[in-house]
Amino acid sequence: DAGITQSPRHKVTETGTPVTLRCHQTENHRYMYWYRQDPGHGLRLIHYSYGVKDTDKGEVSDGYSVSRSKTEDFLLTLESATSSQTSVYFCAISESEAGTSYNEQFFGPGTRLTVL
Amino acid sequence: AQSVTQLDSQVPVFEEAPVELRCNYSSSVSVYLFWYVQYPNQGLQLLLKYLSGSTLVKGINGFEAEFNKSQTSFHLRKPSVHISDTAEYFCAVSPMDSNYQLIWGAGTKLIIKP
Repeated sequence: DAGITQSPRHKVTETGTPVTLRCHQTENHRYMYWYRQDPGHGLRLIHYSYGVKDTDKGEVSDGYSVSRSKTEDFLLTLESATSSQTSVYFCAISESEAGTSYNEQFFGPGTRLTVL
Repeated sequence: AQSVTQLDSQVPVFEEAPVELRCNYSSSVSVYLFWYVQYPNQGLQLLLKYLSGSTLVKGINGFEAEFNKSQTSFHLRKPSVHISDTAEYFCAVSPMDSNYQLIWGAGTKLIIKP
């Protein structure tokens, strides 16, 4: 199994509070991704990173920010959590970029976030 | 814009019966195709992928998929399912002109009946 951990695994918080989710990898992969998973929507990309301090938005980035100060860590922050951000959040990593024949994404175990 | 459609949200099937999970995609550029599996309360893992060459791709756990370019489909099949195949299956495409996109279908839950 790829060495990807996510913390916390479960979190319950209240509307308006800040929340930070952490993804940690031991694979030294360049690319890291944050997805949210909701029933009927599959996975939707929030933000991704293509290197230290290099990040960009995905399709559902509103209300989220990210940071990557080290290769191994990718943080997702909800500045002011809302009930619509209740979801399961997955981190993924890949060695190569998505448009190449070598791309394969490896996923962490997920974080279940509930915003009351 | 690209899109992926998984035609069935749930597929119930008896144990030891064959199964087909359907996936169709739309893209103006060539794509790579993937099937991922998610077991209950776990992350996703790669089942198989089509990059080029033979259109029939074999993956883990006895699954295979066939790429049909004219029908823009990538259906997943298994000749005989086991209770341990109970999971959600996701089809995804990676457009060759993008360096980050992996476009996902909504998923199909495979329900194995004893």
